[in-house]
Amino acid sequence: EAGVAQSPRYKIIEKRQSVAFWCNPISGHATLYWYQQILGQGPKLLIQFQNNGVVDDSQLPKDRFSAERLKGVDSTLKIQPAKLEDSAVYLCASSFPGRETYEQYFGPGTRLTVT
Amino acid sequence: QQQVKQSPQSLIVQKGGISIINCAYENTAFDYFPWYQQFPGKGPALLIAIRPDVSEKKEGRFTISFNKSAKQFSLHIMDSQPGDSATYFCAASMGSGGSNYKLTFGKGTLLTVNP
Repeated sequence: EAGVAQSPRYKIIEKRQSVAFWCNPISGHATLYWYQQILGQGPKLLIQFQNNGVVDDSQLPKDRFSAERLKGVDSTLKIQPAKLEDSAVYLCASSFPGRETYEQYFGPGTRLTVT
Repeated sequence: QQQVKQSPQSLIVQKGGISIINCAYENTAFDYFPWYQQFPGKGPALLIAIRPDVSEKKEGRFTISFNKSAKQFSLHIMDSQPGDSATYFCAASMGSGGSNYKLTFGKGTLLTVNP
């Protein structure tokens, strides 16, 4: 079974530029999560999708961050404009509905450096 | 508000020794407590998890001890090996109350096992 795929793996941009990250979850996983992991900290949830609907985006900085999951499969997270404090690893995770919903499977992440 | 507190921040253990990482939580509505292992450049991977209806769960060399009254849980790694060197995150989740299984992570423990 293929795992969660993410691209790009690394991205370096200047502040005020825009950037987009892509995630393809495990086949059949209806729930998709985007987390932000700042160096030395645990991942923090940014947004959660159930199929193509948003379940929780309470911690998403909506003035600069946006995310979509148009067909209920892959997802894109965008930052526009980027700030220095957005430097982090952006992790995508997915889970299967039902009791196993508790178990989340993470992709390798995209390391963003904002200069 | 940090809902999951993890300690120690870093830990050095000799090969064959026991590694112990502790976590404390505040929200009594949490009903799922996983531990994730993360290697450099990789996403977190589920290691072992426990629900509050049991006090201990063991999988191979890894054991979770859970104390519901104290709102604490810990990870024990027996016979620690150099290959166990990684960052370990405790987390907590709940499936009810609108939280939709989102994970709240501790800040992580960097474990180094010396050969």
